[in-house]
Amino acid sequence: AQKITQTQPGMFVQEKEAVTLDCTYDTSDPSYGLFWYKQPSSGEMIFLIYQGSYDQQNATEGRYSLNFQKARKSANLVISASQLGDSAMYFCAMREGGLLGNEKLTFGTGTRLTIIP
Amino acid sequence: DTGVSQDPRHKITKRGQNVTFRCDPISEHNRLYWYRQTLGQGPEFLTYFQNEAQLEKSRLLSDRFSAERPKGSFSTLEIQRTEQGDSAMYLCASSSPGTSKETQYFGPGTRLLVL
Repeated sequence: AQKITQTQPGMFVQEKEAVTLDCTYDTSDPSYGLFWYKQPSSGEMIFLIYQGSYDQQNATEGRYSLNFQKARKSANLVISASQLGDSAMYFCAMREGGLLGNEKLTFGTGTRLTIIP
Repeated sequence: DTGVSQDPRHKITKRGQNVTFRCDPISEHNRLYWYRQTLGQGPEFLTYFQNEAQLEKSRLLSDRFSAERPKGSFSTLEIQRTEQGDSAMYLCASSSPGTSKETQYFGPGTRLLVL
């Protein structure tokens, strides 16, 4: 089974609108972390936001927020007031096992977001 | 803080040749990771170091691949007898333990094309 599933291969959104990128995950470990990265065409992975499995509140970082629904095992990224510079690939990733656990990140297949002027 | 750097940014080689990539992590980070990303996919974990010790290797890291971090600072990833299937983006990341996030910060990657 896929550990991280991103079901939207591509999305087109009008500039200044909000957009939600979907991510579901699969783990039996009670301690895990969820990450979102942005990858422009240049190739670099840019960290956006983090949510820990024990965090009580949804994470927010500027225009980015994470809609964390633990029971549904979903961690959707919400971008408010989208900008042309938001056009990129977006990856959801998970690290299992907490601070002393598995160090690797497992990534989904990504969503290509295109912002339309 | 200059971020993670990787060299070269692009590499074109012929099948059967050896290639070596370098990664310089963020200076205070003692963990360093290598990932491989093929077209249309997310990055896949290859290996990681804590200081100079290589603590985990993926099954993706065949015996043609070797990674080192001799002084716990920069790391090299060598691919021997390259194959066309090795064509990919090779990403390096670093992190600092002891924080709840332990966020991995990535470099710009090295794009390898094997002809």
